[in-house]
Amino acid sequence: NAGVTQTPKFRVLKTGQSMTLLCAQDMNHEYMYWYRQDPGMGLRLIHYSVGEGTTAKGEVPDGYNVSRLKKQNFLLGLESAAPSQTSVYFCASINLPNGGNEQFFGPGTRLTVL
Amino acid sequence: AQSVAQPEDQVNVAEGNPLTVKCTYSVSGNPYLFWYVQYPNRGLQFLLKYITGDNLVKGSYGFEAEFNKSQTSFHLKKPSALVSDSALYFCAVRDPRAGGSYIPTFGRGTSLIVHP
Repeated sequence: NAGVTQTPKFRVLKTGQSMTLLCAQDMNHEYMYWYRQDPGMGLRLIHYSVGEGTTAKGEVPDGYNVSRLKKQNFLLGLESAAPSQTSVYFCASINLPNGGNEQFFGPGTRLTVL
Repeated sequence: AQSVAQPEDQVNVAEGNPLTVKCTYSVSGNPYLFWYVQYPNRGLQFLLKYITGDNLVKGSYGFEAEFNKSQTSFHLKKPSALVSDSALYFCAVRDPRAGGSYIPTFGRGTSLIVHP
């Protein structure tokens, strides 16, 4: 099993450009999450999904959109990137409702917006 | 509402000495508690969890944590620190009664530095 993978690993954007971050998991997990990590801020939840075709807003959803068209994939989109979106983005999944409650994280995407 | 606090931004310890990374939480019911570790330029890795049962929980890499309900704490411990334990540690809490969204709350993280 590859676990949770994220594409790309690094990206530099100019203000106003758009991009999509891809998260894929091969563990058949229902629940998936997108976080951003900034120094001193810990992890902040952007959006999450409790199953294929469903998405919901987290703590900091503004400026981001998501889609979960397939169970194994969770896409995070930035329609018009801003320097405030410079961050490291992590995807995670949980084996719920029947699993162990702990989250499985991807390796992260480091995004810089100039 | 659920919340978690990691009161120390950084913990320094000498190799071979015991280490403690502190975590306190707040939930309305019985908590689910987790510790994760993040090595540089990597994602978070699960270390251990408390769901129910014994208050002392053992996890990966020789780490353990003690659930203390009266003090609402879940401190991470290791009897003998290694330089390779140097990393960022996150505590997380989830209220199992909070509905079907299964959203944990993370602390801000504690940087553990183990000196040779």
